[in-house]
Amino acid sequence: DTEVTQTPKHLVMGMTNKKSLKCEQHMGHRAMYWYKQKAKKPPELMFVYSYEKLSINESVPSRFSPECPNSSLLNLHLHALQPEDSALYLCASSPRGTGGADTQYFGPGTRLTVL
Amino acid sequence: GEDVEQSLFLSVREGDSSVINCTYTDSSSTYLYWYKQEPGAGLQLLTYIFSNMDMKQDQRLTVLLNKKDKHLSLRIADTQTGDSAIYFCAETLMIYNQGGKLIFGQGTELSVKP
Repeated sequence: DTEVTQTPKHLVMGMTNKKSLKCEQHMGHRAMYWYKQKAKKPPELMFVYSYEKLSINESVPSRFSPECPNSSLLNLHLHALQPEDSALYLCASSPRGTGGADTQYFGPGTRLTVL
Repeated sequence: GEDVEQSLFLSVREGDSSVINCTYTDSSSTYLYWYKQEPGAGLQLLTYIFSNMDMKQDQRLTVLLNKKDKHLSLRIADTQTGDSAIYFCAETLMIYNQGGKLIFGQGTELSVKP
């Protein structure tokens, strides 16, 4: 198994809803990442988990709350989002965690629309 | 600060070679990457090159690295319509005690005309 999976593929939510995005990998990777990507722009890093601990938070608003229940799973909990949060949310994983430069493998993304 | 630059658009005819260029600023980058993104999809790792290499070839893909000029290029031979996508160049920025962070270029949109 050499892939990162993400669910759901599409999500539409209102500004008062609470929803979660899920990411899974079974490659034994020790680091997992959340990115936000607007159309035709590069991905922007949001969070990094290394060995199931949050190691980087790129000053993301608290309406986004990450969670890493185990080494294979990464969640992103969403609450009180704004329309400008509509984007493609990408998950990635890499083998070595914070030990050094590491190749990241991306999932297919969740297309989020906030009404 | 760290910066990765790419031209935004490239248009080629099917069967021609495509060359996508990238310049980066962090001379300590260990690995440099090329990712491909098709419409509505995630990022697909195409290839990467270690910073002590000058060239890497993988089937139709050739990566050239000029460390002195901090210039990276991706050549796609015999370009096909299925190669139409956005191509992102990325370097790794090492953050003390936190690991590596990918710094992406703006992406080059490759359009392949039949």
